[in-house]
Amino acid sequence: AQKVTQAQTEISVVEKEDVTLDCVYETRDTTYYLFWYKQPPSGELVFLIRRNSFDEQNEISGRYSWNFQKSTSSFNFTITASQVVDSAVYFCALSEPNNNAGNMLTFGGGTRLMVKP
Amino acid sequence: EAGVAQSPRYKIIEKRQSVAFWCNPISGHATLYWYQQILGQGPKLLIQFQNNGVVDDSQLPKDRFSAERLKGVDSTLKIQPAKLEDSAVYLCASSLEGIGGTEAFFGQGTRLTVV
Repeated sequence: AQKVTQAQTEISVVEKEDVTLDCVYETRDTTYYLFWYKQPPSGELVFLIRRNSFDEQNEISGRYSWNFQKSTSSFNFTITASQVVDSAVYFCALSEPNNNAGNMLTFGGGTRLMVKP
Repeated sequence: EAGVAQSPRYKIIEKRQSVAFWCNPISGHATLYWYQQILGQGPKLLIQFQNNGVVDDSQLPKDRFSAERLKGVDSTLKIQPAKLEDSAVYLCASSLEGIGGTEAFFGQGTRLTVV
């Protein structure tokens, strides 16, 4: 069965520090997708990135970067020069395509990031 | 483009009462999901619809929870009777397709407190 673990429940940093959020996943499928979502205090989950299991290229988007390593089943997320607006709960999630066109997301427990001014 | 709309935002009920939540997905999105998020945990899928048919409801407690998606657009999730452990945020999401890897867009959720 699929599982996503985010070992860091809470991280506190000072503005402008870099911070890395860890994500480790378990799956028996060779084809799968990994996601990161941000949940600000308003409650909605905001999509950040999707990566499929065949694409191990790291990705950078502004201050955000993602490191996908199949060898260690990890998909870590780094925020460079953190800002107060980055304060939120961040979720890593896993999706395994199935024959019935399901798209269930299995979420980790989330990491609460607090960026202090 | 309007996002996923949910109502109400907050609901407080006593145990054994019933409650219903409503969701309007993004226009044109064939797939609709209901997730339950207990405080301090990640969301857990309750049910996935493709148009007005159920794709996956394996984690829906069917003795008390029910959901429908009439005409393949809006959806309603009902709990009857509610238990204390049903206190959670109920998130609705939608996506263009239901195949794995499709980006899902989430609403702001309904926070349910059962007392």
